[in-house]
Amino acid sequence: DAGVTQSPTHLIKTRGQQVTLRCSPKSGHDTVSWYQQALGQGPQFIFQYYEEEERQRGNFPDRFSGHQFPNYSSELNVNALLLGDSALYLCASSLGTETEAFFGQGTRLTVV
Amino acid sequence: SQQGEEDPQALSIQEGENATMNCSYKTSINNLQWYRQNSGRGLVHLILIRSNEREKHSGRLRVTLDTSKKSSSLLITASRAADTASYFCATDDARNSGYSTLTFGKGTMLLVSP
Repeated sequence: DAGVTQSPTHLIKTRGQQVTLRCSPKSGHDTVSWYQQALGQGPQFIFQYYEEEERQRGNFPDRFSGHQFPNYSSELNVNALLLGDSALYLCASSLGTETEAFFGQGTRLTVV
Repeated sequence: SQQGEEDPQALSIQEGENATMNCSYKTSINNLQWYRQNSGRGLVHLILIRSNEREKHSGRLRVTLDTSKKSSSLLITASRAADTASYFCATDDARNSGYSTLTFGKGTMLLVSP
């Protein structure tokens, strides 16, 4: 049973560019949440998708957007990248309103 | 914003010793969870304790929850070098209705030396 998979593993982008990160949830899970983890900090909630809709959003600017597909996989898009967007981006999947979340290995984004 | 605050920020012990990490939070919660993270990679779920529970065990892990003090502790007994990692507490806010999102603390870095 595959767990949560994220791609790519590492990414280097230039300031001002756009980036798309991808996540496939654990089999049977229908809810995907995205988190940003800066170096030395805990993960911060970006947003959550359920039934292809953004169900909840954290304190992140509109440059951060997402999408969930009918197969429950999800994308995180970040436009107009800033140096401060450099972080580990984590995807977590869960089932419905269940709290227990399973995390992927993350995508390390470096903005130069 | 960070909800939980782990204490200590860093902990260094010898193999075989017990490690205790504490977490404080600010709002009423549905549950509190502990996660482990190795070398800045993905988070591994360790244990979930609900707001109506006071103590929970899983293998060498023991978690307590005191909702009156808004605090939790994670005890790892008979630690091993493989326990070296960062440990985070995460809370599911009681204001969440119909959905569940987690608010994490900054974590405790645990180093277990052979």
